[in-house]
Amino acid sequence: DTGVSQNPRHKITKRGQNVTFRCDPISEHNRLYWYRQTLGQGPEFLTYFQNEAQLEKSRLLSDRFSAERPKGSFSTLEIQRTEQGDSAMYLCASSWTGAMNTEAFFGQGTRLTVV
Amino acid sequence: AQKVTQAQTEISVVEKEDVTLDCVYETRDTTYYLFWYKQPPSGELVFLIRRNSFDEQNEISGRYSWNFQKSTSSFNFTITASQVVDSAVYFCALRNSGYALNFGKGTSLLVTP
Repeated sequence: DTGVSQNPRHKITKRGQNVTFRCDPISEHNRLYWYRQTLGQGPEFLTYFQNEAQLEKSRLLSDRFSAERPKGSFSTLEIQRTEQGDSAMYLCASSWTGAMNTEAFFGQGTRLTVV
Repeated sequence: AQKVTQAQTEISVVEKEDVTLDCVYETRDTTYYLFWYKQPPSGELVFLIRRNSFDEQNEISGRYSWNFQKSTSSFNFTITASQVVDSAVYFCALRNSGYALNFGKGTSLLVTP
């Protein structure tokens, strides 16, 4: 296992279209996170799963955003009716249940451009 | 409320110089965790170090060292004898009782030959 994998790496879509991203975490990790990063900014937390349960959602996650993690393995992040403001890098991370200070390992991200 | 401030937006140094990246944090929690991540041009965030609020011991790992001072709410990162491969954006992050990392805006480090 080489780490957290995200697909696609790049996505260009027209405003109003729906897009879906996939994240495959490190196989033994039961926690999975989604972050969004815009140019010149640090990543911002979107949502978090422990196994298949979505336990925390940021207020940044509008109704147009939905995330799933069926069977507690891979996760998908869908954005409906995309807007230009959705253009960003979407980062996925995973970690292992244990002490609270377990670090998260990040994927290379999916860069979304809405035109 | 939590906040991480990285006041240095960009730093440029010549190879072999030492460089310190500043991080100041705000939190009301007594238990929290601090992190440093490196983001090279490829985009992947690479974990560098984790420190919990009860451990103020400084740490050295090769050319990297970290200075954690609760009295000034700072967690600074020093690279000794910088190299071109150190060029990247470096993020400081804070996590308290939740699981979300609260990142600073990052410091872009450019090391030139």
